[in-house]
Amino acid sequence: NAGVTQTPKFQVLKTGQSMTLQCAQDMNHEYMSWYRQDPGMGLRLIHYSVGAGITDQGEVPNGYNVSRSTTEDFPLRLLSAAPSQTSVYFCASSFQGATEQYFGPGTRLTVT
Amino acid sequence: DQQVKQNSPSLSVQEGRISILNCDYTNSMFDYFLWYKKYPAEGPTFLISISSIKDKNEDGRFTVFLNKSAKHLSLHIVPSQPGDSAVYFCAASEAGANSKLTFGKGITLSVRP
Repeated sequence: NAGVTQTPKFQVLKTGQSMTLQCAQDMNHEYMSWYRQDPGMGLRLIHYSVGAGITDQGEVPNGYNVSRSTTEDFPLRLLSAAPSQTSVYFCASSFQGATEQYFGPGTRLTVT
Repeated sequence: DQQVKQNSPSLSVQEGRISILNCDYTNSMFDYFLWYKKYPAEGPTFLISISSIKDKNEDGRFTVFLNKSAKHLSLHIVPSQPGDSAVYFCAASEAGANSKLTFGKGITLSVRP
């Protein structure tokens, strides 16, 4: 059981570039979510999904897209990277809603 | 507007003593509360939770207390150990299967040997 996996671990982008952060879970969880962690800001919800084909916005969705075509995968797309998106990104999953969520190890993204 | 507040950014305690981490919330619709622990370069891990129908939940060295009238919860760690040194996040959610977690900014706990 790998739990929640995220790739890549580290990424450096130039302003304007696009990329996809990958997230996968093998626990058959319906609920998946993406957070970003910035110094002094805690964890802020970007997007979440309550099941395959269903996504919704969180607190800070601008500049990010998501899709959920399978139960296992929940990729996060940065359409045109900006320095304000420099952050650590965490993916999480749970059986339902905001119960105990299992977090991945994170992706540290730097946008120059 | 911050709905979950952890007003003390850091706490330092001696090994063996009690650590008390505090959390306040403003949303009266919150009915489920969780604490997460995070080590550097790792994802947060779930520690303990409490439903609004309870005022205390205990798991080994960790106890969470909820005071609904004051919209306040606290995490007690007894006895504190050096391995408890980490960032602790308080989180809360409203009722419902598809509810979202709202996190506080976190408290950095340092346990001195």
